[in-house]
Amino acid sequence: NAGVTQTPKFRILKIGQSMTLQCTQDMNHNYMYWYRQDPGMGLKLIYYSVGAGITDKGEVPNGYNVSRSTTEDFPLRLELAAPSQTSVYFCASRTGPNTEAFFGQGTRLTVV
Amino acid sequence: ILNVEQSPQSLHVQEGDSTNFTCSFPSSNFYALHWYRWETAKSPEALFVMTLNGDEKKKGRISATLNTKEGYSYLYIKGSQPEDSATYLCASPYSSASKIIFGSGTRLSIRP
Repeated sequence: NAGVTQTPKFRILKIGQSMTLQCTQDMNHNYMYWYRQDPGMGLKLIYYSVGAGITDKGEVPNGYNVSRSTTEDFPLRLELAAPSQTSVYFCASRTGPNTEAFFGQGTRLTVV
Repeated sequence: ILNVEQSPQSLHVQEGDSTNFTCSFPSSNFYALHWYRWETAKSPEALFVMTLNGDEKKKGRISATLNTKEGYSYLYIKGSQPEDSATYLCASPYSSASKIIFGSGTRLSIRP
């Protein structure tokens, strides 16, 4: 059982470039999340989705976009990358309210 | 309390000692309280999801309690071992059952 899979694991972007971080889960979870890890700040919620076709903003959505066309996939799009977006990004999923979240292995992104 | 807050930020404990730390969260519109264990260079893994006031959960040497009326949860580790060294995160979907917001974590280091 693969669980939550993120690709790529590492990426270096130049300022102004764009990219998509991929996240897929094979657990048939309705809820999916994108977080970024800021030093000393734990995990900050970027966007989340409660099902295909439904997405909503989290705590730090600026500079990012998401889509949820299928239950399995929840890609995160960075447009016009900025150094402030240098971070480790985690995707997570869960069945529904009051259930635990399962995390992917993370994507380390550096913007130079 | 307007956010999820954890204290202390970091803790250094002698091997064999017991320890505990705190998570505070908004007590209104409570849905659930999550605890996760996050080892360096890995992904967060769920320890507990707690929903009922007075709830107590245990997994091996780790246990947690929940007070939803006053908005706090305690995590206890009995007889700390080096493998307990990690960051412990709590999270609460306090504004929406769907949106999981994390505290900044307690970084625990165990001295041999």
